[in-house]
This record gives sequence, structure tokens and C-alpha cells, in this order.
Amino acid sequence: GDSVTQTEGQVTVSESKSLIINCTYSTTSIAYPNLFWYVRYPGEGLQLLLKVITAGQKGSSRGFEATYNKETTSFHLQKASVQESDSAVYYCALGDHNTGGYKVVFGSGTRLLVSP
Amino acid sequence: EAAVTQSPRNKVTVTGGNVTLSCRQTNSHNYMYWYRQDTGHGLRLIHYSYGAGNLQIGDVPDGYKATRTTQEDFFLLLELASPSQTSLYFCASSDEGANERLFFGHGTKLSVL
Repeated sequence: GDSVTQTEGQVTVSESKSLIINCTYSTTSIAYPNLFWYVRYPGEGLQLLLKVITAGQKGSSRGFEATYNKETTSFHLQKASVQESDSAVYYCALGDHNTGGYKVVFGSGTRLLVSP
Repeated sequence: EAAVTQSPRNKVTVTGGNVTLSCRQTNSHNYMYWYRQDTGHGLRLIHYSYGAGNLQIGDVPDGYKATRTTQEDFFLLLELASPSQTSLYFCASSDEGANERLFFGHGTKLSVL
């Protein structure tokens, strides 16, 4: 089956420093899955941050970027300079078609704390 | 913005109790999903559906039933609740499934005593 792995449960970064949140995926599908980053800001619901549906492409939103790397099966989230307002929980997700339709699975999430 | 409404927002029951969590989406999305969120596990897929009367098994289905009665309504059923099912439950919907984002409800916090 499909799975998503986020190795860091929590990351602390100083404001204006760079960020990388790791995400790797595994799939038994013969087609390339769709990859997503979702975010939950404090007090808000889970929402889409960015998506990439084509291997080799990069997605970006709100200063964040992620590149779909099919060779390393990775989809790391990066930002060059974080702000306090980026403090949130970030989830990597994979969407894939199977015999049961379109299934979306999530990683365990990474809490980002940005210190002033 | 697509709307997904979950009810109740909070629920407390006892071991062996019968619980139904409700989810309604008003955007004619064909896919609907039930997830549970637990510390250290993120969101885990329980069941999902691609239309009224359809049900697909997710990754952690044991102890849960689900039913999609209409395009709009997707229910999660716990017929013999156990403390291990204490969790935060999220419903989500999406249009067509392929490539599209999930729209989430605000969650139902369930406590099984």
C-alpha cells in the first residue's frame, strides 16, 4: 500500500532562518501519485498549502516550496526565511488511485515552532 | 470555499457504547473520507467513499463501520466503543478525487471512558 513518512515530530527554527521539513513516500502504484503539503495553523482547520501532481515539478505557496523527486521518493518542504506566523503543524500527503478509487494518506505531521 | 460540517463537536461515551459521527458536505463532492488523528500518528484513514452507497476500506478500519447515505452525508459508526478509539476524528471531501485538494471539517473529539 501507500505510506508517507515524516521523520521529525517537531522542528524549532529561529525567525529569518531557513527551513526544511522532510517527507518521503512509498507507493505500490504503477502510476506516480499526487503529493501535497497541508498545514494547520493554531486555532484553524487543516488546509492545503501546496500540491504537485507531476514528478519532477515544484510547487510553491506562501514562500514555501516542495519538489516532487521520484528518484529519491521525496517531497521535502523548504522555506528560505521563516516567520513567526509560519508556526503550525505541517502534514505531507499522498493521493493515489487504486481499485477503491482515490485514496489520500498522510504522514504523522511536523510541528514547526519559529522563535523570535 | 467548500463547506464540510461535522457533528457533534465533542462526544463522551462509555466503553461498549454506540456512537455515530456525522459529516455533511454541501458542495456536491463525490469523495468523502474519515480520518482519526492521534499524537505521533498524524491522520490515519479509516474509511472513504466515492458516492452514495459506496464504501471503501481505509488503513485502520477495525472497530468502525461507515455509511454514505447520500452524496452529502457520510456517517462513521462505532457500535462497541473502546478506549482505544478515543481520538480526534476528521471528515473531508474532495471533488473527483484526482489531483484535487481535500476540504476538512473542524473535527469531532471523542472520548471513550
